[in-house]
Amino acid sequence: TQLLEQSPQFLSIQEGENLTVYCNSSSVFSSLQWYRQEPGEGPVLLVTVVTGGEVKKLKRLTFQFGDARKDSSLHITAAQPGDTGLYLCAGVAQGGSEKLVFGKGTKLTVNP
Amino acid sequence: ETGVTQSPTHLIKTRGQQVTLRCSSQSGHNTVSWYQQALGQGPQFIFQYYREEENGRGNFPPRFSGLQFPNYSSELNVNALELDDSALYLCASSARDRVGEQYFGPGTRLTVT
Repeated sequence: TQLLEQSPQFLSIQEGENLTVYCNSSSVFSSLQWYRQEPGEGPVLLVTVVTGGEVKKLKRLTFQFGDARKDSSLHITAAQPGDTGLYLCAGVAQGGSEKLVFGKGTKLTVNP
Repeated sequence: ETGVTQSPTHLIKTRGQQVTLRCSSQSGHNTVSWYQQALGQGPQFIFQYYREEENGRGNFPPRFSGLQFPNYSSELNVNALELDDSALYLCASSARDRVGEQYFGPGTRLTVT
């Protein structure tokens, strides 16, 4: 069973602060995705990382895939209230699995 | 480009009843996956459909079943509803070769009383 553990579970910060969210597993993933979900809506895909060590940037968000493809991090610089939401990491297990496994998510609140 | 749509938005059912949830996939996507998301949890994979056949299943009992139609739309059926089935049910579509990149609908909120 592939499990993705996210930390922290909850994070409340002030506007302008930086933060990092972590996603860890003991399993190897062929790809890993980060999604953001707002209340009452479905998750929205932010990024896909595929290569070990890969770093991708999306404006103030920086995503990194671990060298061994077992973990990932999301760093937000100068957080804004609009960044508030549930951040979910998800992965496709190595070996041709069709199943997308999600972590429990990090609930981020950015206070003005 | 039309996104993923789901119906109904909200539903209240009584324990023991049956329910059918519907999903229309994003144009150009031939694979549909269904997820259950309990409050405060990440989505849990129920099953996936490709070419009208089940193509992978999570740890859910047989009373959870589904269908995919030739136009790639899909249904999720749940029989003998239990209180623990109360959750947000999400449908997601993807291209066959990019299963990690899924596009989600807004979900159906099911409450079982």
